[in-house]
Amino acid sequence: GAGVSQSPSNKVTEKGKDVELRCDPISGHTALYWYRQSLGQGLEFLIYFQGNSAPDKSGLPSDRFSAERTGGSVSTLTIQRTQQEDSAVYLCASRARGVDEQFFGPGTRLTVL
Amino acid sequence: GQSLEQPSEVTAVEGAIVQINCTYQTSGFYGLSWYQQHDGGAPTFLSYNALDGLEETGRFSSFLSRSDSYGYLLLQELQMKDSASYFCAVRDKDNQGGKLIFGQGTELSVKP
Repeated sequence: GAGVSQSPSNKVTEKGKDVELRCDPISGHTALYWYRQSLGQGLEFLIYFQGNSAPDKSGLPSDRFSAERTGGSVSTLTIQRTQQEDSAVYLCASRARGVDEQFFGPGTRLTVL
Repeated sequence: GQSLEQPSEVTAVEGAIVQINCTYQTSGFYGLSWYQQHDGGAPTFLSYNALDGLEETGRFSSFLSRSDSYGYLLLQELQMKDSASYFCAVRDKDNQGGKLIFGQGTELSVKP
């Protein structure tokens, strides 16, 4: 497809379980970002990838959160031992080199029971 | 650090003009962006200002004053479909990666 895709669209999990969220950026976009959005709030930056490396991980809230990107394309955000406060919509965005616009995916709505 | 302030809610009628303000505090500054997000949808890019002045794109315009650390989004000829949340976002000057720091969003309600 032409846009950023994310899967799953919804994820319900029990407290303490691990979850993996996937992002497929727009082909050719070298920069990839993960954000988190709680209900009625703005977007909170989590991590930024340039190619396969992550020069900025400053937004990851704890060491339970990690992310990787392979082949300069797909990225996976992993949350270990989920907590109820992790419940939010996790958004992925990609950006082409030299352009300011970020293209967002539809997000994964995570609910931790 | 960085912080942005924008009104939480704005209400206007169809056909009217509405202005959504954004003030920011950053240690450095590279540019101000605006994104629109419909309920349950993905944020979509509206505009980007790196320099002072007005940028116009159809019914939407965005303004920046770097000296005042202030910008606004102007929506003209409002339509019902413009009901959405609007976010301003700052790209920090020291941030080579282009990560955005978002405001809390302004929920615009357009009434008939």
